[in-house]
Amino acid sequence: EAGVAQSPRYKIIEKRQSVAFWCNPISGHATLYWYQQILGQGPKLLIQFQNNGVVDDSQLPKDRFSAERLKGVDSTLKIQPAKLEDSAVYLCASSLDTGRSYEQYFGPGTRLTVT
Amino acid sequence: AQSVAQPEDQVKVAEGNPLTVKCTYSVSGNPYLFWYVQYPNRGLQFLLKYITGDNLVKGSYGFEAEFNKSQTSFHLKKPSALVSDSALYFCAVLYGNNRLAFGKGNQVVVIP
Repeated sequence: EAGVAQSPRYKIIEKRQSVAFWCNPISGHATLYWYQQILGQGPKLLIQFQNNGVVDDSQLPKDRFSAERLKGVDSTLKIQPAKLEDSAVYLCASSLDTGRSYEQYFGPGTRLTVT
Repeated sequence: AQSVAQPEDQVKVAEGNPLTVKCTYSVSGNPYLFWYVQYPNRGLQFLLKYITGDNLVKGSYGFEAEFNKSQTSFHLKKPSALVSDSALYFCAVLYGNNRLAFGKGNQVVVIP
């Protein structure tokens, strides 16, 4: 079974530029999550999708961050414009079904450096 | 509000010695608890979970965790640590609609 795929693995941009991250979850997983992991901290949930609908985006800084999962499969997270404090690893995770399985499976992450 | 505390920043043990990584939690209702491990430049890997049942939960790579309701703890343990166990360990609690709240993580260093 293929795992959660993310790209790119690394990205360096200057502040005020825009950037986009892509995630392809495990096949059949209805729920998809985006987390932000700042160095020295645990992952923080940014947004949760179930199929192509948003379940929770309460911690997403909506003035600069946006995410979509148009066909209920892969997802894109965008930052525009980036700030220095956005430097972090962005993790995508997926889970089978919110009613039966609780494990989340994580991709390798995208390490973003904003200079 | 739900939260997880991992009080130690780093845990150092000698290879072959027992390893314990501490976690305490705060959540309303029954706790669903998880441990994940993160190796350098890798995503988080699921180790084990407590949902219900026996307080001692066995997981991957010889790890186990003990759920203690009265102490609101869910400590991760391994009887004999390996150098390859050196990694970052995260405790997490499930809340809301299947969301995870993570602790800050513990760096485990196993000395040969």
